[in-house]
Amino acid sequence: KQEVTQIPAALSVPEGENLVLNCSFTDSAIYNLQWFRQDPGKGLTSLLLIQSSQREQTSGRLNASLDKSSGRSTLYIAASQPGDSATYLCAVSYSGAGSYQLTFGKGTKLSVIP
Amino acid sequence: GAVVSQHPSWVICKSGTSVKIECRSLDFQATTMFWYRQFPKQSLMLMATSNEGSKATYEQGVEKDKFLINHASLTLSTLTVTSAHPEDSSFYICSARDPLAGARTETQYFGPGTRLLVL
Repeated sequence: KQEVTQIPAALSVPEGENLVLNCSFTDSAIYNLQWFRQDPGKGLTSLLLIQSSQREQTSGRLNASLDKSSGRSTLYIAASQPGDSATYLCAVSYSGAGSYQLTFGKGTKLSVIP
Repeated sequence: GAVVSQHPSWVICKSGTSVKIECRSLDFQATTMFWYRQFPKQSLMLMATSNEGSKATYEQGVEKDKFLINHASLTLSTLTVTSAHPEDSSFYICSARDPLAGARTETQYFGPGTRLLVL
C-alpha cells in the first residue's frame, strides 16, 4: 500500500526567505507526482506535476524535484510571500482499481510572516 | 483549463437526514470521478472511484450503503450521504479525470469541495 509522508507538518518563515518542503513515498512504481496548494476551507490548486521519467519541474518561484528511486520529492519556494501561506499537499499517482488513483500526504502548513 | 464544480459548497443538516452532493465536469467528459473526504488537519482520503454507467468502487472501510454514488452521465456524479450523523461531518471533495489527458498530464481536476456539518 502506497504511503506518502510530508515533513514538516507546519512551517513558519519570514517574508523573503527561500524554503523547502519535503515529501516521501513508499512505493516507487508511480506514474507521476503532484504538488497542490490548499487554502483554508477550499479545494485544491495544482501547482506542479512531475512525470515519473522527469527529475524536476519549475513554475515561477516554485521548483519541484523528484527522485523516484529513493521515493522523495521536494518543493522549493523562492523569495516567499505572505500570499504563499497555505497548506501544500503532495500526491502520487499510481494505477489502482483500473484507474489512476492519487495518494495524498497530510500536507505542510506554511505561514509566511510579513 | 478543465473545470469541476461542486454543489452545494456548504450544507448543514440534522442528524438522520440524507444529503446529496453534486460534482460536475463543466468542459470535458469524465468517464471517471473520484470522491474524497478530508477531516480537519488530515489529508484527503479516497472514498470511492466512480465510473460512468457502472457501480462505484469503494475503498476499504467506506460503507457503500451509507455513501451512495451515482455516475449517470459523463459530466455528473452524485454522492448521497444517507442518514447522516455528526461523525459524517467533513469536507468532501470530488475530482474528475479527463480520459483524453492520459498519464502524461494532469489527470485529475478537483472541485472546490463541499463542507458538511451534521447537527
